[in-house]
Amino acid sequence: SAVISQKPSRDICQRGTSLTIQCQVDSQVTMMFWYRQQPGQSLTLIATANQGSEATYESGFVIDKFPISRPNLTFSTLTVSNMSPEDSSIYLCSVNDLAGAETQYFGPGTRLLVL
Amino acid sequence: GENVEQHPSTLSVQEGDSAVIKCTYSDSASNYFPWYKQELGKRPQLIIDIRSNVGEKKDQRIAVTLNKTAKHFSLHITETQPEDSAVYFCAASIGTGNQFYFGTGTSLTVIP
Repeated sequence: SAVISQKPSRDICQRGTSLTIQCQVDSQVTMMFWYRQQPGQSLTLIATANQGSEATYESGFVIDKFPISRPNLTFSTLTVSNMSPEDSSIYLCSVNDLAGAETQYFGPGTRLLVL
Repeated sequence: GENVEQHPSTLSVQEGDSAVIKCTYSDSASNYFPWYKQELGKRPQLIIDIRSNVGEKKDQRIAVTLNKTAKHFSLHITETQPEDSAVYFCAASIGTGNQFYFGTGTSLTVIP
């Protein structure tokens, strides 16, 4: 499966600021997704990062709060904007690494604490 | 949209015993059902998956069963070991490129 890395692995931020999380894959992938996992909770899809077009957001998530870029088939960024303590969470990217494959593989995650 | 329910939320078993985790889904269009294991502080790792054209799949000590009519699927771990202790998530998807709907997770503890 594809090797997925995320930067930063963790960060502590002040409320009102923004943080951009990077997801890098070692091979071209068709689909990239961004998830949020709040402490002790399940995974919630934020959006699907589409290469060359705007991301597709899930209900409850908006582009102004979570802008996403996907400039090519190996890289994506998620920005958490105007942060509040409620944004403290783990943010994970995932990929379908083979065309036509259903399986998603996850990056190591970014642990965000907002003070 | 799809709704995936998972039970139990916590499960403790003695080493060597079996563990069963059950999930139900609501969308009959769902046709792909992966299971992930997440150890503390780590990323979710795929451990087994099943597609709707198959009723059962086994990989060593792990097996998954699917009942399409009843819309439920289960994870079975036999001969449990302490290293099986983790949180397990089920998920459902309507297929390639489509989002996963995750269950709420089961925290499994295997007592030595």
